[in-house]
Amino acid sequence: GQQVMQIPQYQHVQEGEDFTTYCNSSTTLSNIQWYKQRPGGHPVFLIQLVKSGEVKKQKRLTFQFGEAKKNSSLHITATQTTDVGTYFCAGGQTGANNLFFGTGTRLTVIP
Amino acid sequence: ETGVTQTPRHLVMGMTNKKSLKCEQHLGHNAMYWYKQSAKKPLELMFVYNFKEQTENNSVPSRFSPECPNSSHLFLHLHTLQPEDSALYLCASSQGQVMRNTEAFFGQGTRLTVV
Repeated sequence: GQQVMQIPQYQHVQEGEDFTTYCNSSTTLSNIQWYKQRPGGHPVFLIQLVKSGEVKKQKRLTFQFGEAKKNSSLHITATQTTDVGTYFCAGGQTGANNLFFGTGTRLTVIP
Repeated sequence: ETGVTQTPRHLVMGMTNKKSLKCEQHLGHNAMYWYKQSAKKPLELMFVYNFKEQTENNSVPSRFSPECPNSSHLFLHLHTLQPEDSALYLCASSQGQVMRNTEAFFGQGTRLTVV
């Protein structure tokens, strides 16, 4: 069945350092979404990527969709304490009425 | 805050109890979802409703029973649960028939503990 793996599971960074989380699917995806969940909170939509090789930026966040549409990454430049939380990718598959969520990467930023 | 409101926020229930979780969305969306979030596991889709009709049931045990009386309200009825059912239950909604094409708006969740 469809599997979306995310690495790393945990990441501790010093404030100001960069951070990257990677998402890999066992099958080709139709699209990929990224969500952020703050501690004690709920997932909040960040962005959606649809096209092969697509790159989108939101301030210090850069999202990339692989050429084969089987992987994606989220890169945060110069992390801040407000970036703390768990980042989830979620992949869609043609014909499936569902988003397949990754296990998430929990980011801790040390001031 | 997100337009999707879940009650209660916390629930402790015994294995013989019957309780219900409620979700209400004020976004005019057509689709609503129940997700289960357990520690160290991906978000698990439980049920999907589109225009009040159930379109997905991901092999969820019958001790979980969803109800969608209209496009704005979604319930999850619980009975004879097991301790392993303890988790955060998230409701979400989206505009459009399939979640994968539109962003999902999540509620704050109900933290359920089964004792």
